Amino acid sequence: GAGVSQTPSNKVTEKGKYVELRCDPISGHTALYWYRQSLGQGPEFLIYFQGTGAADDSGLPNDRFFAVRPEGSVSTLKIQRTERGDSAVYLCASSRQGRGQETQYFGPGTRLLVL
Amino acid sequence: AQKITQTQPGMFVQEKEAVTLDCTYDTSDQSYGLFWYKQPSSGEMIFLIYQGSYDEQNATEGRYSLNFQKARKSANLVISASQLGDSAMYFCATVTTGYSTLTFGKGTMLLVSP
Repeated sequence: GAGVSQTPSNKVTEKGKYVELRCDPISGHTALYWYRQSLGQGPEFLIYFQGTGAADDSGLPNDRFFAVRPEGSVSTLKIQRTERGDSAVYLCASSRQGRGQETQYFGPGTRLLVL
Repeated sequence: AQKITQTQPGMFVQEKEAVTLDCTYDTSDQSYGLFWYKQPSSGEMIFLIYQGSYDEQNATEGRYSLNFQKARKSANLVISASQLGDSAMYFCATVTTGYSTLTFGKGTMLLVSP
């Protein structure tokens, strides 16, 4: 089956604008994760969904960041009033059930550039 | 809190040689998992290998093996018979049972030369 997909692959926006990043997980995977990867760093956790609900959003940096997964499949990461420091690669991953030590499968990422 | 340390920013190896990428971790938990991912220039994180803290044998997946030394909190990745396509960033990551989120190291860039 298909892997994790993310759209758009690249997004350029201006400071202060609103952006939405979409993630389509592997079919049947109930757990979905968002990570952010800054240049030269490893990915950092943002938020984790189990089904439709956010099981852990402790990695969201501030209230400008919000994510939803209304039907338990596709998820959208929303960033309001973007800042230049938000420029990064946003990675989405999914796993079958979200139990600890389960392998997470990643999408290709969305490269966000805030000018 | 968990922490992953990858001390090698970059490694060079010739094609067909073996290479070891270092990873040490810091956790007080008894049950945890260790993962290695490969990230080529295209950006996608590709799962390579997994080791559970209670696994008695080192994990192997084809040309990849994990040299797991629990007492030293070390989980080094060994790639045998390197290929040009192995050139990429390699990340070590850990997860603790009861939580589901990965903590990554800063990565090691591997360059394989002909």
